[in-house]
Amino acid sequence: GAGVSQSPSNKVTEKGKDVELRCDPISGHTALYWYRQSLGQGLEFLIYFQGNSAPDKSGLPSDRFSAERTGGSVSTLTIQRTQQEDSAVYLCASSPPGLAGGGQYFGPGTRLTVT
Amino acid sequence: AQSVTQLGSHVSVSEGALVLLRCNYSSSVPPYLFWYVQYPNQGLQLLLKYTSAATLVKGINGFEAEFKKSETSFHLTKPSAHMSDAAEYFCAVSENSGAGSYQLTFGKGTKLSVIP
Repeated sequence: GAGVSQSPSNKVTEKGKDVELRCDPISGHTALYWYRQSLGQGLEFLIYFQGNSAPDKSGLPSDRFSAERTGGSVSTLTIQRTQQEDSAVYLCASSPPGLAGGGQYFGPGTRLTVT
Repeated sequence: AQSVTQLGSHVSVSEGALVLLRCNYSSSVPPYLFWYVQYPNQGLQLLLKYTSAATLVKGINGFEAEFKKSETSFHLTKPSAHMSDAAEYFCAVSENSGAGSYQLTFGKGTKLSVIP
């Protein structure tokens, strides 16, 4: 079946602009995660959704970052007033219900470059 | 707090040789443990997972890993390296954050090169 998809695959933006990154999880996966991968920091957790709720936002680095999920499916990560340090690959992952140890399935990521 | 240490940021092996990628973890509770592989410009692919069943876990592409609680280790092995195994490998640990999240905490990764 279809895996996790993300769009766009690449995004170049100017410092100070807002960007939106989209994630389509695997159908039926109730849990959705956003991670960030950068050279300096490695892979970092950003936010977790269960259905449309986000009970764990502890990884968001600043209030410029926000995310929502609608219909228990598509999620959008928004970065306002982008800074150069936001340049990274943003990865989305989903996992099926009731399988805490089932592992997460990742999308191909969105490479964000802030100039 | 949980953490993962991967020894060796870069490992080189000859084609056909044993692959051994090391991972040690710390966790306050019995963890879920994972190995992921990342090919250039791609996302992460789940190789295998440990979820408190058998301590020797077999994954895809001939990889396996052994959970050793006494050593807090979860090393990844493959008997015979293939050129297509060249990639970056990440070890990860997961435990309930208390908010229902089983977010992954990753090691810094080990880049595997395979020499023909």
